[in-house]
Amino acid sequence: DSGVTQTPKHLITATGQRVTLRCSPRSGDLSVYWYQQSLDQGLQFLIQYYNGEERAKGNILERFSAQQFPDLHSELNLSSLELGDSALYFCASSDPTGGNNEAFFGQGTRLTVV
Amino acid sequence: DAKTTQPNSMESNEEEPVHLPCNHSTISGTDYIHWYRQLPSQGPEYVIHGLTSNVNNRMASLAIAEDRKSSTLILHRATLRDAAVYYCILMNLVDDMRFGAGTRLTVKP
Repeated sequence: DSGVTQTPKHLITATGQRVTLRCSPRSGDLSVYWYQQSLDQGLQFLIQYYNGEERAKGNILERFSAQQFPDLHSELNLSSLELGDSALYFCASSDPTGGNNEAFFGQGTRLTVV
Repeated sequence: DAKTTQPNSMESNEEEPVHLPCNHSTISGTDYIHWYRQLPSQGPEYVIHGLTSNVNNRMASLAIAEDRKSSTLILHRATLRDAAVYYCILMNLVDDMRFGAGTRLTVKP
């Protein structure tokens, strides 16, 4: 158990809909990262938050947005969903102040758009 | 974009050592070298990291070249459970964490 919790584990929704994925980081970790992994593909970095502020953006579509709340949990919002958005979405957390910045990953949310 | 290069795939026999290479020629002085692995249908998990000196832990060893432009993850006795995609990435206190394609390790019985 990495200590990072993602909910829901599975999500099936229709095209055009909007969903919210939730990530609870390890206790005390200030950084949260979001990744998308399509079938048999690599991990695509989407966005990083640090202590509530957006720190870095990767290949995140305009239809996607995220935020990190004061209690450090994060949500990834995906709207106007398309079939191609079907993927595993992973969240990771780390504590950069620790010096080595080891990251811990959740088990992912599997999103299926039909 | 990833700042490391790794072979796409490698094969090993069970109970033999495996050396997984990684090149990171543009590494900066503040970059740590991290290795993660992703087992099928799971999230990535941390394996090991280092800065300048070689490192050992219960999972693996990390050998870092003297100029830090390359490193090697060593699994001393590969098991079937070590079959995974192994990612080498550079991390510091400031940058985000971007993965390359990694090396897919196949372990043959």
